[in-house]
Amino acid sequence: ILNVEQSPQSLHVQEGDSTNFTCSFPSSNFYALHWYRWETAKSPEALFVMTLNGDEKKKGRISATLNTKEGYSYLYIKGSQPEDSATYLCAFRNNAGNMLTFGGGTRLMVKP
Amino acid sequence: DTGVSQDPRHKITKRGQNVTFRCDPISEHNRLYWYRQTLGQGPEFLTYFQNEAQLEKSRLLSDRFSAERPKGSFSTLEIQRTEQGDSAMYLCASSSLPGQGYTGELFFGEGSRLTVL
Repeated sequence: ILNVEQSPQSLHVQEGDSTNFTCSFPSSNFYALHWYRWETAKSPEALFVMTLNGDEKKKGRISATLNTKEGYSYLYIKGSQPEDSATYLCAFRNNAGNMLTFGGGTRLMVKP
Repeated sequence: DTGVSQDPRHKITKRGQNVTFRCDPISEHNRLYWYRQTLGQGPEFLTYFQNEAQLEKSRLLSDRFSAERPKGSFSTLEIQRTEQGDSAMYLCASSSLPGQGYTGELFFGEGSRLTVL
């Protein structure tokens, strides 16, 4: 059983605050690490798919880093906005299969 | 084609009844996945298809669960003799095959929420 952990489980921040979450995953047989954003009553949407150790990806105010040797990824949100409120999921894929193993998610709530 | 669609969006049933969910993936996607998500947890893998072939099934998938993708397009997930523990969000996702531009990204539907009374 692959262990993918996310912390914190939930986070309340004020509009304008910057924040970050952690995803830890097995450091062996790495293939890819995905980040998804899941807003209430919508479908999860991919933010990033990261495959290389040291990868850094950015989309607007959101960025992510990857360390495959130690098995962690950080997701950063700069200047949080109420529309960033969602559950952020990370998912690990090893090189033995084609499915993703998800963490439990970090639920972010941004207060105006 | 606007994305992955799932039907029904919500289903309330009594314990012991059978339920079936349908997923229509993005039309050019060969791979189709079913996941289950319960409150406070991340999505758990159930099974996946490449075209019409079911290539992998989770040990979580009891013999009351069966999934099909008969023509390699839409898929159905049937749960027989439902139990209260089956209450969850059932998510379907699709992806393309490795090739030019492939990222491995999954494209999800909005899910089918099952409540078993």
